[in-house]
Amino acid sequence: QSALTQPHSVSGSPGQSISISCTGTSSDVGGYNYVSWYQQHPGKAPKLMIYDVTKRPSGVPDRFSGSKSGNTASLIISGLQAEDEADYYCCAYAGTYTYFFGTGTKVTVL
Amino acid sequence: QVQLQESGPGLVKPSQTLSLTCTVSGGSISSGSYYWNWIRQPAGKGLEWIGRIYTSGSTNYNPSLKSRVTISIDTSKNQFSLKVNSVTAADTAVYHCARVILGTFWFDPWGQGTPVTVSA
Repeated sequence: QSALTQPHSVSGSPGQSISISCTGTSSDVGGYNYVSWYQQHPGKAPKLMIYDVTKRPSGVPDRFSGSKSGNTASLIISGLQAEDEADYYCCAYAGTYTYFFGTGTKVTVL
Repeated sequence: QVQLQESGPGLVKPSQTLSLTCTVSGGSISSGSYYWNWIRQPAGKGLEWIGRIYTSGSTNYNPSLKSRVTISIDTSKNQFSLKVNSVTAADTAVYHCARVILGTFWFDPWGQGTPVTVSA
């Protein structure tokens, strides 16, 4: 039982697309279609960006999308914007009322 | 729109008990079917799910913390609380509360978080 693995940092220029990976195991990421992603600006509350692997809450720009293959989930940001610079965390349900979060990825807009 | 706000002491001595409260505004904590959660974030590290309490009062905890954690709910005050016993420096973190709707598996909304330092 441990945190899901994310890259420490990802960067891109405005307008580019970036992808953040989230690697777990067959007991969490691979076991359920219950992966969610959160955006956190410094000093702010985390904000839900993606749920159930691919679904986007109302109000979240459609440049944010999610996917999953095996034990790895991904968050894709298309058309990167300055306001997307933040920390991003994945989360996966692991059964028996347990959740694992990712180690976090700092996104920098160059 | 439901909002959550954490509160509690920012400094706790080692071996003592950490106590925090999450106040829910914009809606009743007991209406609807919700899980009320605690999540923490050590400085420079990722998030860790601590546990949850259902509207009825039933609880579930992270196995790694279960022996030291208690979550309770006070519907009359629209609050739920966290207690962590026998704290050490490893419990130093920003503590967030968050809601999960029954039958779903994502956290929304979250509180902004309250920092807690364990130090003598």
